[in-house]
Amino acid sequence: DAKTTQPNSMESNEEEPVHLPCNHSTISGTDYIHWYRQLPSQGPEYVIHGLTSNVNNRMASLAIAEDRKSSTLILHRATLRDAAVYYCILRDEGYGGSQGNLIFGKGTKLSVKP
Amino acid sequence: DSGVTQTPKHLITATGQRVTLRCSPRSGDLSVYWYQQSLDQGLQFLIQYYNGEERAKGNILERFSAQQFPDLHSELNLSSLELGDSALYFCASSWSAGTDTEAFFGQGTRLTVV
Repeated sequence: DAKTTQPNSMESNEEEPVHLPCNHSTISGTDYIHWYRQLPSQGPEYVIHGLTSNVNNRMASLAIAEDRKSSTLILHRATLRDAAVYYCILRDEGYGGSQGNLIFGKGTKLSVKP
Repeated sequence: DSGVTQTPKHLITATGQRVTLRCSPRSGDLSVYWYQQSLDQGLQFLIQYYNGEERAKGNILERFSAQQFPDLHSELNLSSLELGDSALYFCASSWSAGTDTEAFFGQGTRLTVV
């Protein structure tokens, strides 16, 4: 499984932008970069995903480095509801075992201060 | 609401027993995934089904089994339960098995083995 590295925790102030980094130096050309988050006592929630180009949706933006070895999830205005564990996941095209699936690491725990 | 329904929400059972967890995917989704989340292990991928067929297998114990039925709902069977099987079990679904597809998670079944 392709691996990602994320900071264990980050803090943000409410209504300020948040940049959550993810390193994936061993990414291959067909790996998609997925972000999910898990709020306390809830199931994981899809946030955004991309392959090469930057992506935007109603929840967040995903900035992907030109060499694809890192990416950044951007929350434009953090709210208290954004306090969660954020997971950066590489999903590859492999078959067999757990390849091709969403393999969760430890993620980044985001705290949002009012 | 993700559209993925898991039942029951809570389950308490004794060691050595067998339980069945049920998952109804979002309408139109063909792929179902099962995950286990315990405090010390994080989110562990167990197994994936696509249109009734097993597609990928992760860290699933031999005491555990799953299947996806023709109506696309899925069941996870846990037998000879041990205290260490106490965890949250999440089901997720996606419309395809492709790596560029987002998955939607249910709220989970909390299993307590006493």
